[in-house]
Amino acid sequence: GAVVSQHPSWVICKSGTSVKIECRSLDFQATTMFWYRQFPKQSLMLMATSNEGSKATYEQGVEKDKFLINHASLTLSTLTVTSAHPEDSSFYICSARDAGTSGVDEQFFGPGTRLTVL
Amino acid sequence: GEDVEQSLFLSVREGDSSVINCTYTDSSSTYLYWYKQEPGAGLQLLTYIFSNMDMKQDQRLTVLLNKKDKHLSLRIADTQTGDSAIYFCAESIRGSYIPTFGRGTSLIVHP
Repeated sequence: GAVVSQHPSWVICKSGTSVKIECRSLDFQATTMFWYRQFPKQSLMLMATSNEGSKATYEQGVEKDKFLINHASLTLSTLTVTSAHPEDSSFYICSARDAGTSGVDEQFFGPGTRLTVL
Repeated sequence: GEDVEQSLFLSVREGDSSVINCTYTDSSSTYLYWYKQEPGAGLQLLTYIFSNMDMKQDQRLTVLLNKKDKHLSLRIADTQTGDSAIYFCAESIRGSYIPTFGRGTSLIVHP
């Protein structure tokens, strides 16, 4: 089946630093990737939709200058949390749509990245 | 209220059946999904159902959809300890590719 990886799986950083999270589709091409944020015991909150070769579309309330998204190729999207603060600590999950699929609208999810900002 | 609602916890004994319920509000929902999330991991699509279906069965999983009441359920037969996880109900409209998720139901399976 389709596999999506994320790197790193967890990261601890100091307040004020920037952190980059990578999302890769390993065995398929993903024209669209999605970034979610998940708080403990909460649902997934869609942050942005990332289309290869174009600017990301951010959901209302998500700061685009804070959460920089780059989708440079059909298999890689990156999320950079700039000037991270403790309130940015969360579980970040990416997902990808297989450009070759038809039928059910299925997203394939990465394993997530646990970010802790001290 | 939220667009997709689920109870937060369910505890069952190993070998029993589990039934996780979900209600949604959008009558134009086309796809309804059940995802499983194990601790520290991403979401895995378990099964899905089209809105024009009433039931779908896949091995130990049975999905029931009551479109009139906008109610979706997931039944897991012969529940095992490996089924312990958070189960997310989600819905999407055809072409949107972006599901709206519920808050997830934590299933705890005890011996």
